[in-house]
Amino acid sequence: DTGVSQDPRHKITKRGQNVTFRCDPISEHNRLYWYRQTLGQGPEFLTYFQNEAQLEKSRLLSDRFSAERPKGSFSTLEIQRTEQGDSAMYLCASSLGMNYTFGSGTRLTVV
Amino acid sequence: AQSVTQLDSQVPVFEEAPVELRCNYSSSVSVYLFWYVQYPNQGLQLLLKYLSGSTLVKGINGFEAEFNKSQTSFHLRKPSVHISDTAEYFCAVTWDSSYKLIFGSGTRLLVRP
Repeated sequence: DTGVSQDPRHKITKRGQNVTFRCDPISEHNRLYWYRQTLGQGPEFLTYFQNEAQLEKSRLLSDRFSAERPKGSFSTLEIQRTEQGDSAMYLCASSLGMNYTFGSGTRLTVV
Repeated sequence: AQSVTQLDSQVPVFEEAPVELRCNYSSSVSVYLFWYVQYPNQGLQLLLKYLSGSTLVKGINGFEAEFNKSQTSFHLRKPSVHISDTAEYFCAVTWDSSYKLIFGSGTRLLVRP
């Protein structure tokens, strides 16, 4: 097993553009999580899925953010009309029970 | 609501000295506690976790932590640090019926020669 994969590793986009990130979890894991991490801060929870159902969304997840996990496999996180404040590291994690594995993250820079 | 507090934003220490990184949590229900390490531009690596049983938990790289329910703490310790331990350390909590991890703001461990 190669762990949790995130693509791309880095993304630079102009303000107002849409971006989409992908996360491939560990295949045996039934839960998938998205976090956002800004410089010098801990990861902030955004949303999580159990299989294909999105069970919780943080208030941090504005209407410009949407996440999907079709068929309970990979997940995508889309940010529409990006703003400079969206610049951050976006981390994906998957879990089975209390065994969590994090990906290396996608670093988004909005210019 | 559950929360985690890491009071020390940075802890400088000399190589081969002992270190303790503090973590306190707030919760009205039983919790599970984790410590992660993050190196620059990388994801989070699990150091150790407390789920149940012995309150002293041993992890990777010589780290250990003690769960103290009365003080709602889960401090991380290492008896002798190395330069390579320089990194950001995060304490996290979760609980039954949630499974999402809630993280503290992190402590930067800076090991000096």
